[in-house]
Amino acid sequence: KQEVTQIPAALSVPEGENLVLNCSFTDSAIYNLQWFRQDPGKGLTSLLLIQSSQREQTSGRLNASLDKSSGRSTLYIAASQPGDSATYLCAVRRNTDKLIFGTGTRLQVFP
Amino acid sequence: EAGVVQSPRYKIIEKKQPVAFWCNPISGHNTLYWYRQNLGQGPELLIRYENEEAVDDSQLPKDRFSAERLKGVDSTLKIQPAELGDSAVYLCASSLDRASGNIQYFGAGTRLSVL
Repeated sequence: KQEVTQIPAALSVPEGENLVLNCSFTDSAIYNLQWFRQDPGKGLTSLLLIQSSQREQTSGRLNASLDKSSGRSTLYIAASQPGDSATYLCAVRRNTDKLIFGTGTRLQVFP
Repeated sequence: EAGVVQSPRYKIIEKKQPVAFWCNPISGHNTLYWYRQNLGQGPELLIRYENEEAVDDSQLPKDRFSAERLKGVDSTLKIQPAELGDSAVYLCASSLDRASGNIQYFGAGTRLSVL
């Protein structure tokens, strides 16, 4: 059974810091991995999707890497801003089309 | 273009009462998903539709939960009767199809509180 773990569970940093969120999964047979952002009381917004054949994806200040063999992904946020405060979720997808989510990292960026 | 629309946003009911949630996916999206998200957890899939056919409902508690997607567009998720443990956020998502590269777009969710 695929299990997805995210560390840390919560993170509080001052504005401007570069930070790394971690995601690990137990079964390396995945189709892709996605990083989502969830604001309080809102749905999920897809940030980055990495196919199993890819090593990383970048969008603006966000960079996500994937090491399928070791079952790890990281989300790097450069020059963090208060507007980045949210919960970040990673999810892996297998051939069943089912997304398995981690429990999330709650990020707080203070001015 | 409108995203995935869900209603109501919030619902408070007493246990043993019925409740229904509605979802309107993005136009043209054939695949629709219902997830449940407990407090402090990631979403868990309840059911997935390909057009009007439910193709994965293994996680749906069928004794009290039901879902339908008439005409392969809008969908409703129903709980009858609701239990205290059903309190959660119910998220609907849609994607163009089930191809591996397609992103799932999520609605804002319905937050259910069962008292």
